[in-house]
Amino acid sequence: DQQVKQNSPSLSVQEGRISILNCDYTNSMFDYFLWYKKYPAEGPTFLISISSIKDKNEDGRFTVFLNKSAKHLSLHIVPSQPGDSAVYFCAATHQAQKLVFGQGTRLTINP
Amino acid sequence: KAGVTQTPRYLIKTRGQQVTLSCSPISGHRSVSWYQQTPGQGLQFLFEYFSETQRNKGNFPGRFSGRQFSNSRSEMNVSTLELGDSALYLCASSLAMASGSDTQYFGPGTRLTVL
Repeated sequence: DQQVKQNSPSLSVQEGRISILNCDYTNSMFDYFLWYKKYPAEGPTFLISISSIKDKNEDGRFTVFLNKSAKHLSLHIVPSQPGDSAVYFCAATHQAQKLVFGQGTRLTINP
Repeated sequence: KAGVTQTPRYLIKTRGQQVTLSCSPISGHRSVSWYQQTPGQGLQFLFEYFSETQRNKGNFPGRFSGRQFSNSRSEMNVSTLELGDSALYLCASSLAMASGSDTQYFGPGTRLTVL
């Protein structure tokens, strides 16, 4: 039962443009959502999070949007930079318990 | 502040052996969680420890076990290793805030290869 889904295994974006990564979830009990960035052979690095009481959170070039009615969240990166090339995981949790991860989206930023 | 550290970074074992992995959380963090990452299954939750007690457990066989010490450091043990246990094992720590908005921070992982 895949409670958190990232339907796009890969995404290619030109440098300077906007990158939009999407994530869907099925468990309406999730109350906290996070995005992590991962390079090969390294642990995931926390990027940005959002509580279920909000619909938007912004941190520099990164903005996360949450649509609870659609059970959908997205990560916007603008402008995209070559160093943003990595695998991005969305994750969800309920009452600070285990993180449930999506399968990841590999983002490639082309110069 | 130092991040989450994991030792060893790389490990090669043979089938049937057992292995112990170690994790030191960020100072002040009381919760330690373990995850397994494989190419086919993504990141799967193993278990979480808080105040030396296992608080949550994922769907892994009993060969996978762990413990947490009074200084919040944690160890994970896998007995009777199988080829399918080859994976990147990740440890994450958090403050374990009661509010629910609790961010987990990951270590670099231990790459286990079972031959």
